Amino acid sequence: DGGITQSPKYLFRKEGQNVTLSCEQNLNHDAMYWYRQDPGQGLRLIYYSQIVNDFQKGDIAEGYSVSREKKESFPLTVTSAQKNPTAFYLCASSGGYNEQFFGPGTRLTVL
Amino acid sequence: GNSVTQMEGPVTLSEEAFLTINCTYTATGYPSLFWYVQYPGEGLQLLLKATKADDKGSNKGFEATYRKETTSFHLEKGSVQVSDSAVYFCALRDMGSSNTGKLIFGQGTTLQVKP
Repeated sequence: DGGITQSPKYLFRKEGQNVTLSCEQNLNHDAMYWYRQDPGQGLRLIYYSQIVNDFQKGDIAEGYSVSREKKESFPLTVTSAQKNPTAFYLCASSGGYNEQFFGPGTRLTVL
Repeated sequence: GNSVTQMEGPVTLSEEAFLTINCTYTATGYPSLFWYVQYPGEGLQLLLKATKADDKGSNKGFEATYRKETTSFHLEKGSVQVSDSAVYFCALRDMGSSNTGKLIFGQGTTLQVKP
């Protein structure tokens, strides 16, 4: 089955730690996206990548970093510079001028 | 800039009631429009879409018509079920010259359907 996988489903981080969220897709899509969702709010774009080895900042990139070394993978690192990282993180991908497909999400909690 | 505005929730309905969730947008050019649904603890699923004026998207009994004159894309369903309880997001994709594939989302509307 084609789709997007995210891991882990739940992640706990201590203050000052960096953590990396995984996102993999087997849909052969060129573009991939990371969103942050806070309770009762819409989605805010963190980073996006339209092609391998290239990515751009979204609306709330501060305190986050990404890489795009392979077409299938777009990991997100939440750094210690992100002051309020507790949120639900969603990865998405799209091909051409079509809709985005979303993964199941990772819930990050700072202890 | 581009934006999407949805009616505030929660929307609480009895089973078999008629549903309308309002969505209006501001955008340059001719955006594609989407409705996504999110069940508790899950990612977003595409519910329906429309890519040009007067298009009607439909899926699972839900419908929405792209109205360029009123810049709206309201979601409707004739008879809701308890299983429709979820958060619904309206979104647009700017198809202009700087197309990056980014989606702009509304804040979401929570639907609660009671038996």
